[in-house]
Amino acid sequence: DIQMTQSPVSLSASIGDRVTITCRASQTVVSYYLSWYQQKPGKAPKLLIYSATRLRGGIPSRFSGSGSGPEFTLTISSLQSEDFATYFCHQTFIYPWTFGPGTKVEIK
Amino acid sequence: QVQLVQSGPELKRPGASVKVSCKTSGFNFTSYDINWLRQASGQGPEWMGWMSPKTGYEQKAQKFQGRVTMTSDTSTRTAYMEVHKLTSDDTAVYYCAIDDFFSGPAWGQGTLVSVSS
Repeated sequence: DIQMTQSPVSLSASIGDRVTITCRASQTVVSYYLSWYQQKPGKAPKLLIYSATRLRGGIPSRFSGSGSGPEFTLTISSLQSEDFATYFCHQTFIYPWTFGPGTKVEIK
Repeated sequence: QVQLVQSGPELKRPGASVKVSCKTSGFNFTSYDINWLRQASGQGPEWMGWMSPKTGYEQKAQKFQGRVTMTSDTSTRTAYMEVHKLTSDDTAVYYCAIDDFFSGPAWGQGTLVSVSS
């Protein structure tokens, strides 16, 4: 199985800050099969980025993704109040699909 | 537009079975594997397995083998996932999902399955 790790596990940031979250796979993941999700308590995960760099329709442009296997990055260019949530990466390159453990973004 | 619409919440007793449905539209149903995932409260998502509506072939994570059945009905474009011998550890939100090469993963809205005596 491909193990996904994320750093940091959590972070505190202020409105307007630039935030970067890193996801590392235990083996190569082809970029087309790496996505990023946002999740708020009690809600379903929300797809933000797919194919490592592609912004899903309707997602604000302050979100961006970069990288290639095995290391990927999610960046929020200017943190907004609605962005405080947990973010996790997800690989669909090889079964079983696996997920990063999540990064909780909290208000400073 | 790809859509996966799941059945409503379920409350079950320990030892019972539950069957969750996933009605799809907006894509060629027999061209995509249907995946099932679940997420317990406070935990990350967990992949359960996948099945091919075209062939009926299914592959499941080892912990679900022998207890989970995945089926589909191509005439209604609906996938089903049944979990048998439920315990409280099966309390979770269950999701169906596909992965489209061009538009990325698409998930259903989730079905809450609660197991309690």
